Amino acid sequence: DGGITQSPKYLFRKEGQNVTLSCEQNLNHDAMYWYRQDPGQGLRLIYYSQIVNDFQKGDIAEGYSVSREKKESFPLTVTSAQKNPTAFYLCASSGPSSGNTIYFGEGSWLTVV
Amino acid sequence: DAKTTQPPSMDCAEGRAANLPCNHSTISGNEYVYWYRQIHSQGPQYIIHGLKNNETNEMASLIITEDRKSSTLILPHATLRDTAVYYCIVRGLNTGTASKLTFGTGTRLQVTL
Repeated sequence: DGGITQSPKYLFRKEGQNVTLSCEQNLNHDAMYWYRQDPGQGLRLIYYSQIVNDFQKGDIAEGYSVSREKKESFPLTVTSAQKNPTAFYLCASSGPSSGNTIYFGEGSWLTVV
Repeated sequence: DAKTTQPPSMDCAEGRAANLPCNHSTISGNEYVYWYRQIHSQGPQYIIHGLKNNETNEMASLIITEDRKSSTLILPHATLRDTAVYYCIVRGLNTGTASKLTFGTGTRLQVTL
């Protein structure tokens, strides 16, 4: 089935460690996105990518990094510079094949202790 | 992207129609109205979108006023599984760019027996 796969679903890390969240899509979408959601809040855009080897900062990019070496993959690294990394992270993608509608993965819970 | 205003919460009896309003008075001519919903700890699910005509799919109907300053999402026969946070989002679709979604806090719909 076509879709967006995020892994892991739950992740615990010690403070000061970098952690990388995986996002893979087989929808042949050009654009991919990372959002962060805090409890009881809406989603905030971290980074997005329109095409391979290109990405732009969203509203809250500080303390995060991304890469887009392949069309299907858009991993997000939460660095030690991110002051409050504990959150729910959502990956999404869009493309002409889906009328440019943005579809989301199931999310990854990151807890930093 | 234009900003939207939604009531923070609504209740609906199971089997009845749920009508969720959204105000987007600053919408511009090339911006679409999108609706998503999010069940706790899951990724947002796309429901429907429209530009100026009313739209219907297997999940819901979208009614957009003639001046496009507001819209209503209708779930014709709400079930307990429709309990979720519903987000109304206005989004432009610029050819060749990744047009991102800006989320507000949405409407928490509670469907009751």
